[in-house]
Amino acid sequence: AQSVTQPDIHITVSEGASLELRCNYSYGATPYLFWYVQSPGQGLQLLLKYFSGDTLVQGIKGFEAEFKRSQSSFNLRKPSVHWSDAAEYFCAVGSNSNSGYALNFGKGTSLLVTP
Amino acid sequence: DAGITQSPRHKVTETGTPVTLRCHQTENHRYMYWYRQDPGHGLRLIHYSYGVKDTDKGEVSDGYSVSRSKTEDFLLTLESATSSQTSVYFCAISESTGVRGYPPLHFGNGTRLTVT
Repeated sequence: AQSVTQPDIHITVSEGASLELRCNYSYGATPYLFWYVQSPGQGLQLLLKYFSGDTLVQGIKGFEAEFKRSQSSFNLRKPSVHWSDAAEYFCAVGSNSNSGYALNFGKGTSLLVTP
Repeated sequence: DAGITQSPRHKVTETGTPVTLRCHQTENHRYMYWYRQDPGHGLRLIHYSYGVKDTDKGEVSDGYSVSRSKTEDFLLTLESATSSQTSVYFCAISESTGVRGYPPLHFGNGTRLTVT
């Protein structure tokens, strides 16, 4: 089954610094890839998605992600982090199995933003 | 925000008791899902539904059952709760036909269940 790996459990960045969260996928063909953000006590909110075409996709809240087939990666980036970006971030891939349109999620990366 | 309401938001129950969690949507989406979220595991699919009375198992379905008698409601039942089912449960919905590519999931705010 398709899966994603998020190598970093925790990341700390200073406010105003750039951010990159890593995501690697395992799937032979072009996968359907997503990034979600979860604030404490909340559900998951879709940041952006990639299906095909332009490998650099723009999302909400100033986030972008780049699909790199050669590296099997779909890393999330933001040029300048704000304190409100502190949250848990999940990368996900379309399961492409008999489960409707379910997604397989990575284990998440917790982002801490310091002043 | 997608119209998804989960109830209750919090519940504490004792081992061996039955528990039902409810998910209600106002989007008329065909697909509904139940996930559980646990530290170090991310989100794992429990069950999903592809229409009224049409449900199927996900990755971690043991000990859980579901029902969908109306498009808008998807119930998750723990027949006899165990401590290992202490978790945060999320309902999600998605569209199906007419969507290019792969439709994203939209999530409710979750139910925190503690089994003592």
